[in-house]
Amino acid sequence: GENVEQHPSTLSVQEGDSAVIKCTYSDSASNYFPWYKQELGKRPQLIIDIRSNVGEKKDQRIAVTLNKTAKHFSLHITETQPEDSAVYFCAASTGGATNKLIFGTGTLLAVQP
Amino acid sequence: GAVVSQHPSWVICKSGTSVKIECRSLDFQATTMFWYRQFPKQSLMLMATSNEGSKATYEQGVEKDKFLINHASLTLSTLTVTSAHPEDSSFYICSARGGTGGSREQYFGPGTRLTVT
Repeated sequence: GENVEQHPSTLSVQEGDSAVIKCTYSDSASNYFPWYKQELGKRPQLIIDIRSNVGEKKDQRIAVTLNKTAKHFSLHITETQPEDSAVYFCAASTGGATNKLIFGTGTLLAVQP
Repeated sequence: GAVVSQHPSWVICKSGTSVKIECRSLDFQATTMFWYRQFPKQSLMLMATSNEGSKATYEQGVEKDKFLINHASLTLSTLTVTSAHPEDSSFYICSARGGTGGSREQYFGPGTRLTVT
């Protein structure tokens, strides 16, 4: 089955700097890659997603890149703000009838003011 | 739109008792619902996938007789933890996916914190 690895496990940046989180997946059939932000004790919130027919997607300060050949995808946050501090999870899905998500291990991002 | 609720938000129960958690899609019909478990400082682990009107599909290592899932309608799925033990204490989160073919997004519930004493 699918396996998703995520790095780093913790990331500390200064406010205004960029943050990059990387994930790799094992199943070449995976074709949907969402990223979630989760604050302590709360539900995961979708912040951006990308499908395998696209190499890059951007939404204001957030961008995701996908390298299907290498089976890598990355989250880029620019101009970080203290409110970006949270745990970020990547996920991968092969689609199909159920479209189940397999999550990465998570990255705790701390943005220092 | 696309709101998913869970009830209760937290529950404390004694070892050996059973606990039922409800997951509802409030403004859309959820053809598929998912149940996840999240231990402190860990990722979301998929427990099972349920489709309305059919039996749930459990992930490897998840005991289907211990974690009973029922998806009786397009807006409600329930997870019953039977004979709960302290090691079942965790954050249980459901998500729901609508029926529209183009959407891959899952909408997450707020989670249920289960503590077994």
